[in-house]
Amino acid sequence: EDKVVQSPLSLVVHEGDTVTLNCSYEVTNFRSLLWYKQEKKAPTFLFMLTSSGIEKKSGRLSSILDKKELFSILNITATQTGDSAVYLCAARRDDKIIFGKGTRLHILP
Amino acid sequence: SQTIHQWPATLVQPVGSPLSLECTVEGTSNPNLYWYRQAAGRGLQLLFYSVGIGQISSEVPQNLSASRPQDRQFILSSKKLLLSDSGFYLCAWSGSTQYFGPGTRLTVL
Repeated sequence: EDKVVQSPLSLVVHEGDTVTLNCSYEVTNFRSLLWYKQEKKAPTFLFMLTSSGIEKKSGRLSSILDKKELFSILNITATQTGDSAVYLCAARRDDKIIFGKGTRLHILP
Repeated sequence: SQTIHQWPATLVQPVGSPLSLECTVEGTSNPNLYWYRQAAGRGLQLLFYSVGIGQISSEVPQNLSASRPQDRQFILSSKKLLLSDSGFYLCAWSGSTQYFGPGTRLTVL
């Protein structure tokens, strides 16, 4: 059965810290790995990863995919209170996208 | 550019009442469309997806149903709501990644 597992489920850090969020997947006909940020409403897209070893960056956020070991990480450096959210990882296969349960990140001022 | 609409934004319904949530997409044709539900503090659960008019795949057996009467319209329905149907319902369409509508927060009392 296809599955996406995220860890940790919840994380509390202080502002300025660096965090690493993990995502492992087992999906048939894998196409790409997606990361989303969800605050109080609908998830917003962060990254799409299709190739191993190529880091994608957007400001303080970066992500990388390992297709051999079937995992991805999302790094956030110099965290700010506005980074507090649920971060969702998803694996896309041919016909649908399977989501993990998310990591709830809380940044303390 | 593509836009996805959902309504209503918030809904409070009594147990046993019917439900109809509508989703429409603009700016694309023949999109793959999805309905997700997110219970409080949990990940996204795929309920239905559709690759074309009249084509519906159900992921989770329950008292909900979906229909796609037009290319860019996707409707989620129930004849009789249960308390467990409460949650945040998201419609999405799939391009290179997945794009979400604003969501409907449903509370069943």
